[in-house]
Amino acid sequence: QVQLQESGPGLVKPSETLSLTCTVSGGSINNSYWSWIRQSAGKGLEWIGRIYTSGATNYNPSLKSRVTMSVDTSKNQFSLRLTSVTAADTAVYYCVRWSSNGYYRKHYFDSWGQGILVTVSS
Amino acid sequence: DIHMTQSPPSLSASVGDRVTITCRASQSITTYLNWYQHKAGKAPKLLIYDASNLEAGVPSRFSGSGSGTEFTFTIRSLQPEDIATYYCQQYENLYSFGQGTKLEIK
Repeated sequence: QVQLQESGPGLVKPSETLSLTCTVSGGSINNSYWSWIRQSAGKGLEWIGRIYTSGATNYNPSLKSRVTMSVDTSKNQFSLRLTSVTAADTAVYYCVRWSSNGYYRKHYFDSWGQGILVTVSS
Repeated sequence: DIHMTQSPPSLSASVGDRVTITCRASQSITTYLNWYQHKAGKAPKLLIYDASNLEAGVPSRFSGSGSGTEFTFTIRSLQPEDIATYYCQQYENLYSFGQGTKLEIK
């Protein structure tokens, strides 16, 4: 099974930009949808957005104005940028793969990174 | 976007109890719904896909039902290892999660 690993700063100042990278190993990044999901302390899972290996993106409407995702297939990596962060963006950020099997009607988040805690604080 | 309303937000039950969690979608999602179990420090684990299909290797005490906008997740006989937070997740239009149900042993 593919493995995912998040990397990036664990501390970001308010109003600055959060940047994370996910490295995919044990398999190809091609022909899949890749998402970022976060969980704030005491809150549930929030889907941030997804990118296909073609570079096509979709974002959560509540975050769309601040989110940009990109993919580098040569490095088997995809990335997240979240601008103008506040304390409300403090969370564990997961990079995740979406798996689809139409024959079995089975579509789900099947591979998750371990998560990276990003704290927004001055 | 599709909003998922999950209830209750927390639940305390005894070992052996039947536990039920509900999830309501803001519009029809047919059966495009998954249920995950999330334990602290671990990645969420798929339990139920396509609203009612049990993932391979998941104990049969877990089940799901529903279609359209109303869905139910049931643990037939609660076990100590079931302590976790449970989430519904729709994929009819992009993705969104319910707010989660934190399950505790009484």
